[in-house]
Amino acid sequence: GAGVSQSPSNKVTEKGKDVELRCDPISGHTALYWYRQRLGQGLEFLIYFQGNSAPDKSGLPSDRFSAERTGESVSTLTIQRTQQEDSAVYLCASSLAGGAGTDTQYFGPGTRLTVL
Amino acid sequence: KNQVEQSPQSLIILEGKNCTLQCNYTVSPFSNLRWYKQDTGRGPVSLTIMTFSENTKSNGRYTATLDADTKQSSLHITASQLSDSASYICVVRIYNFNKFYFGSGTKLNVKP
Repeated sequence: GAGVSQSPSNKVTEKGKDVELRCDPISGHTALYWYRQRLGQGLEFLIYFQGNSAPDKSGLPSDRFSAERTGESVSTLTIQRTQQEDSAVYLCASSLAGGAGTDTQYFGPGTRLTVL
Repeated sequence: KNQVEQSPQSLIILEGKNCTLQCNYTVSPFSNLRWYKQDTGRGPVSLTIMTFSENTKSNGRYTATLDADTKQSSLHITASQLSDSASYICVVRIYNFNKFYFGSGTKLNVKP
């Protein structure tokens, strides 16, 4: 596709339910990132994939959060037993390559999660 | 502690005026610094990326500066337009590691 896409765009769920958020990166991008952005706050790093591997999961806030990536393409972020503090916009980004270079991150439009 | 701080938190200017946004960071070791523009309800879009050796970089009406010694950066917007209304985010990448630190952003409102 032309850019990074995410689905759903909005998700309202009840406390305690599980949710899955999907990210489709730009074709050919090996690096994929998940971020969380609470209302009025900056982006918070969650997890980074290089290919299908996640060398850095340090940002995942609890064991209720997990993510996977398959086929060096689509990624799914799963939140189990959602809590109200999980309400935020979840942003996905991809870049051509990881490493320590100056490659540009391209962001998707985000999924707005509301936990009632 | 690795941190990125931006100022001001918010700014209102009249269309056609210039403005400068500030970013101070303590992230180390430093790899590069990025400025992003985030429109309401959208993901951030990259404006500039600067490495240690670069002091200034322009992208149209946006000019970013970097002083790696004082760990400060600025984003200067010239002849502002209504479409410049957005949040501007400063991001610093750690050297040799694919990790980014984000500032909280400066919310710019350009009024007619």
